[in-house]
Amino acid sequence: AQTVTQSQPEMSVQEAETVTLSCTYDTSESDYYLFWYKQPPSRQMILVIRQEAYKQQNATENRFSVNFQKAAKSFSLKISDSQLGDAAMYFCAYAPALTQGGSEKLVFGKGMKLTVNP
Amino acid sequence: EAQVTQNPRYLITVTGKKLTVTCSQNMNHEYMSWYRQDPGLGLRQIYYSMNVEVTDKGDVPEGYKVSRKEKRNFPLILESPSPNQTSLYFCASSLRGSGTGELFFGEGSRLTVL
Repeated sequence: AQTVTQSQPEMSVQEAETVTLSCTYDTSESDYYLFWYKQPPSRQMILVIRQEAYKQQNATENRFSVNFQKAAKSFSLKISDSQLGDAAMYFCAYAPALTQGGSEKLVFGKGMKLTVNP
Repeated sequence: EAQVTQNPRYLITVTGKKLTVTCSQNMNHEYMSWYRQDPGLGLRQIYYSMNVEVTDKGDVPEGYKVSRKEKRNFPLILESPSPNQTSLYFCASSLRGSGTGELFFGEGSRLTVL
């Protein structure tokens, strides 16, 4: 069974600085998707960024980028120029590719609370 | 506006009193799913549905029922709630076959069972 591990339950960063959130996963599949979701105090789950395993290029969305290391099964999220609005719970998630009989079932890590200090 | 709508958003109930949390999506998605979120455990899947009349258990299905009579609706039923079902519940949907794995989430339903 696939598992997702977020080893740091909490982190803090100063406003305008850069922070990296770590995530590792375990799977025997070769094709899959990885995600970072953000959950602010409003509780809404917001997709931050998505990475396809077959793509070597790391995904980027504005201030958010990932470091995807397929061999190491590592998927870290870098937030640049941190803003107060980035304070939230962050969840790493894995989904098998549809071609391998997978559904859209996401397997989530336990989450990490990010605090942004002014 | 494309969205997943859950109701109620907040509910306090007592042990054994049957309740239903409704979920509706307006995106014509085939796939729908329920998750529960507990501190330190992340989100865990309760049930999912690939299409109308097709449902299957997730990782933590005990104490829950679901039905999928219409494509847009996927209610979560707690026949006899217990305090260990106090949690934050999320409904989510996806366009099956998109191959993206991306889920669209509702805003969550906070349930307290006394």
